[in-house]
Amino acid sequence: GQQLNQSPQSMFIQEGEDVSMNCTSSSIFNTWLWYKQDPGEGPVLLIALYKAGELTSNGRLTAQFGITRKDSFLNISASIPSDVGIYFCAGQTSHDYDMRFGAGTRLTVKP
Amino acid sequence: DTGVSQDPRHKITKRGQNVTFRCDPISEHNRLYWYRQTLGQGPEFLTYFQNEAQLEKSRLLSDRFSAERPKGSFSTLEIQRTEQGDSAMYLCASSLFDEGNYGYTFGSGTRLTVV
Repeated sequence: GQQLNQSPQSMFIQEGEDVSMNCTSSSIFNTWLWYKQDPGEGPVLLIALYKAGELTSNGRLTAQFGITRKDSFLNISASIPSDVGIYFCAGQTSHDYDMRFGAGTRLTVKP
Repeated sequence: DTGVSQDPRHKITKRGQNVTFRCDPISEHNRLYWYRQTLGQGPEFLTYFQNEAQLEKSRLLSDRFSAERPKGSFSTLEIQRTEQGDSAMYLCASSLFDEGNYGYTFGSGTRLTVV
């Protein structure tokens, strides 16, 4: 099956810094999504991307769907302590019932 | 509607025992999904329902696993003869299958520990 490679695995940053993480795949996806998961909870959808080249923002978050359809990145600007958590990328093919997730980027924000 | 509810939140069971988890999706959502998440990994697809029909099962869903959604509302996931390798977080999600809508809403999960 398709493998999603997400990097970095973890990040330790100071409050106020910007963050960038990305996800690559050996296969093409029709949709890219970014989720955030807090400890003991399920993932929460942050941004969904539907077209190659699409750049979408949600508050301090910006994500892009790579033009090759094999990659995506997520940027967080001016990080705050509540940004702490695990961020997952996910891709969907034409079989939209099956989302493939990356292994996650664990973000720690130091006040 | 308070979102996707899963019960129980935590379950500890002895190896060989059967366990059953319940998921109540968002009421207007017609699709329901089960995912499994092990420590340090992202969720992995297990199966999904559209209304009451189970339309797809992954290879991860061995014969010991069975899922039902009898009336197209809540769903149950049963694991028979549990093994230590079944220890994981079991996540349920629901969505309204509609053109252009790919957003799943996940529940908080059931954490299973097999001892």
